[in-house]
Amino acid sequence: QKEVEQNSGPLSVPEGAIASLNCTYSDRGSQSFFWYRQYSGKSPELIMSIYSNGDKEDGRFTAQLNKASQYVSLLIRDSQPSDSATYLCAVKRDYGQNFVFGPGTRLSVLP
Amino acid sequence: EPEVTQTPSHQVTQMGQEVILRCVPISNHLYFYWYRQILGQKVEFLVSFYNNEISEKSEIFDDQFSVERPDGSNFTLKIRSTKLEDSAMYFCASSGLAAIYEQYFGPGTRLTVT
Repeated sequence: QKEVEQNSGPLSVPEGAIASLNCTYSDRGSQSFFWYRQYSGKSPELIMSIYSNGDKEDGRFTAQLNKASQYVSLLIRDSQPSDSATYLCAVKRDYGQNFVFGPGTRLSVLP
Repeated sequence: EPEVTQTPSHQVTQMGQEVILRCVPISNHLYFYWYRQILGQKVEFLVSFYNNEISEKSEIFDDQFSVERPDGSNFTLKIRSTKLEDSAMYFCASSGLAAIYEQYFGPGTRLTVT
């Protein structure tokens, strides 16, 4: 079983719409979850962290966590063409500090 | 805004040669990491470093790899005898005490082994 799974996409949404990105993880003991954005040929850029069940909002971004379902999501409101990138879900195991990354979902926001 | 820097941006080397990739973490950060990303694949953890020693390493980080913090600012990854399959982007990351799990990545070094 893969540790962190994401739909590879591409996910295409029109400009101004809400983009919904999903991630599931297998390690039930995981406590810390992160969303990174990666533009083509660039490094991962931290967008959000979430540690507790529920929603966490930061500007146009909302992270949602459901530990019982082992599910994390990222909503991007008012999507812009500049949001077009690959979004990586990263999960910190319940031990240590290293992350397990998902394969990423490629988002395309169409003008 | 403080950021992680890495040099060189691109390194080309011949199989069997040694390479050293350099990173300058964010200045008040205490936890340092190396990740790699083979083209088209996911980001993979290599090693974490804290208090001048390795705190964790993955199965990828075998005896060919080593890390060092030679001074108060640099953090290096050495690959002793490069193989073709070492070709990848290598990312350095760091995190601080205020949010030890929030890792900030450098721009990466593209390593090409020929």
